[in-house]
Amino acid sequence: GAGVSQSPRYKVTKRGQDVALRCDPISGHVSLYWYRQALGQGPEFLTYFNYEAQQDKSGLPNDRFSAERPEGSISTLTIQRTEQRDSAMYRCASSLGGMNGYTFGSGTRLTVV
Amino acid sequence: AQKVTQAQTEISVVEKEDVTLDCVYETRDTTYYLFWYKQPPSGELVFLIRRNSFDEQNEISGRYSWNFQKSTSSFNFTITASQVVDSAVYFCALSDNNAGNMLTFGGGTRLMVKP
Repeated sequence: GAGVSQSPRYKVTKRGQDVALRCDPISGHVSLYWYRQALGQGPEFLTYFNYEAQQDKSGLPNDRFSAERPEGSISTLTIQRTEQRDSAMYRCASSLGGMNGYTFGSGTRLTVV
Repeated sequence: AQKVTQAQTEISVVEKEDVTLDCVYETRDTTYYLFWYKQPPSGELVFLIRRNSFDEQNEISGRYSWNFQKSTSSFNFTITASQVVDSAVYFCALSDNNAGNMLTFGGGTRLMVKP
């Protein structure tokens, strides 16, 4: 597609529920990244993929968070047993790889109530 | 370890004033990239510029200019003749060889341009 597409744009969920956030990167982009941005702060790295391989997941806060990109294109970030502290903007970005710049999606605003 | 510091949390200026947003970074790598992103009220992150550590030449793009000083580990951003549409949160970010292509962002500077 023309840009990085994320869905849903907004998600409100009850504490304890699982959520899945989707990212559709720019066609042909090798690398895909997930970031989390709390209100009033800069984005923080969660994980990234080259093609379907997860290269680095050091930013995932705990084992409730996981991500996959099974066919090297669309990626899903899953948060199990959500907690209020998980509320944030979740941003996806893609790039051609290497030190090329990213293109960010519009993000998914997650609110856990 | 990488670190980016944007000491100015909020800046308020009147339209047509010049404004400089400060960014100081830390890295042990000799090869790294520096970025600036704009986050307008609508919330998206808009890429503004990328510079590599071997190119200290300052850059100008219209009303925007960037001053890269390796000696002080700074990559400051100046907006000349600010406009109301420049109101946004601006983020500085760093990526180095040790981090793959991961970006470390600063905390952001909220710029408010008043008419």
